[in-house]
Amino acid sequence: DAGVIQSPRHEVTEMGQEVTLRCKPISGHDYLFWYRQTMMRGLELLIYFNNNVPIDDSGMPEDRFSAKMPNASFSTLKIQPSEPRDSAVYFCASSRQQETQYFGPGTRLLVL
Amino acid sequence: KNEVEQSPQNLTAQEGEFITINCSYSVGISALHWLQQHPGGGIVSLFMLSSGKKKHGRLIATINIQEKHSSLHITASHPRDSAVYICAVSPNDYKLSFGAGTTVTVRA
Repeated sequence: DAGVIQSPRHEVTEMGQEVTLRCKPISGHDYLFWYRQTMMRGLELLIYFNNNVPIDDSGMPEDRFSAKMPNASFSTLKIQPSEPRDSAVYFCASSRQQETQYFGPGTRLLVL
Repeated sequence: KNEVEQSPQNLTAQEGEFITINCSYSVGISALHWLQQHPGGGIVSLFMLSSGKKKHGRLIATINIQEKHSSLHITASHPRDSAVYICAVSPNDYKLSFGAGTTVTVRA
């Protein structure tokens, strides 16, 4: 298996622009997680899905952030409009039920 | 106060030395995870445990549920073990709360 796939790997954008991050989980995994990592706050859970349904989005910082999972093999995290404080590494991870989470390589986002 | 506290924050060892990283948490948990983040940024899950001890190669993870404490040990450390090691807990089954990480540097 190719593991969790994220795209793009790097994104540089200007403040106010829309940013869309993409994730393909490991086939057969029914849980998908979006995390954000910054120097100041470390790793934080933003939202997670079970069987394509959002279960807990309490970590989503504000309404500018939204996440969708239209099918079992694809999820997006969108930021609109983006701000410099959104600059971070965004990780997607997937797991099968309560088992180990497998992380993608991350998307490094820089908002100027 | 963070739910998960790790110590030390940084650790430098000579190749071959035994390394211990500690993790304390303040909430009831269903599982504790140890993650490794390489200098390139990738994150790998090393262990997921809810009791006792697990061993994988030169890595050993232990947990004491009553004391709310876990340790990660690296035996016969090697420069390729240089990474950030992150402790995370699941207060319920799926949401992870993370420690700040321990940066380990192993010198040849």
